Amino acid sequence: GQQVMQIPQYQHVQEGEDFTTYCNSSTTLSNIQWYKQRPGGHPVFLIQLVKSGEVKKQKRLTFQFGEAKKNSSLHITATQTTDVGTYFCVGSNYKLTFGKGTLLTVNP
Amino acid sequence: EAGVTQFPSHSVIEKGQTVTLRCDPISGHDNLYWYRRVMGKEIKFLLHFVKESKQDESGMPNNRFLAERTGGTYSTLKVQPAELEDSGVYFCASSPVGQGGRSPLHFGNGTRLTVT
Repeated sequence: GQQVMQIPQYQHVQEGEDFTTYCNSSTTLSNIQWYKQRPGGHPVFLIQLVKSGEVKKQKRLTFQFGEAKKNSSLHITATQTTDVGTYFCVGSNYKLTFGKGTLLTVNP
Repeated sequence: EAGVTQFPSHSVIEKGQTVTLRCDPISGHDNLYWYRRVMGKEIKFLLHFVKESKQDESGMPNNRFLAERTGGTYSTLKVQPAELEDSGVYFCASSPVGQGGRSPLHFGNGTRLTVT
C-alpha cells in the first residue's frame, strides 16, 4: 500500500536556526498537504501542493513538491519559539496517508 | 463557522469495557474521517464516510471497532471490548462534499483514550 516516509522524527534547534523536514512517498501522489500540530492540539492545515515542482511560501515557511510528485519538503527560515510542534505531511492519491511527523523544538 | 467537535476529550476505561466516541463535523461537510494516533507512531487512517455511507473502512483494526454515521451528520466510533493497545488519541476530520483527498482536512481536538 501507499507509504509516506518522513524524516527526521525529531529536530531540536536554537532559535534563529533553520529547519527542514522531508517526505518521500512510495507512489506518485496527486497532491501533498502539510499540517502543524501544536503540543496538546490537533493538526491544522498549512498548505497543499498539487503541481510537479511546485514551490509555495508562507512568510518564513517554504514548501516544495518534487518533479516526480513523490517527495516534498518544508523549510523554516530563522525558527522562532512559536514554530514548535509536530509537522506532518499527508500524501494524497486515492486516499490520504500521513507521514510520521517531525517534532520540532526550539531553544530560545 | 463552528469547527469539528469531538466528545469526550478524555476517556479512561478498563480493559474489556466499552467506549463510544462522538464526532460532529463542520455543517455541510459530507466527508468524515476517523484517524488514530498511538503513542510515538504516525497518525493512521481508520475509515472514511461520505454522508452516511462508509467509503473506505480499510483502516479499521478489527471487529471490536464499529463506526456509524446515521443520517449523515455526526458520527460515533465504538470500541467494544476495549484492549490496552487501543489507547491513543482518536481524531475526527471533515472536508467538503465531493473533494475527497483534494480538500484540506479540518480536525477536531481529538479524544484521548486510555485503557488500563
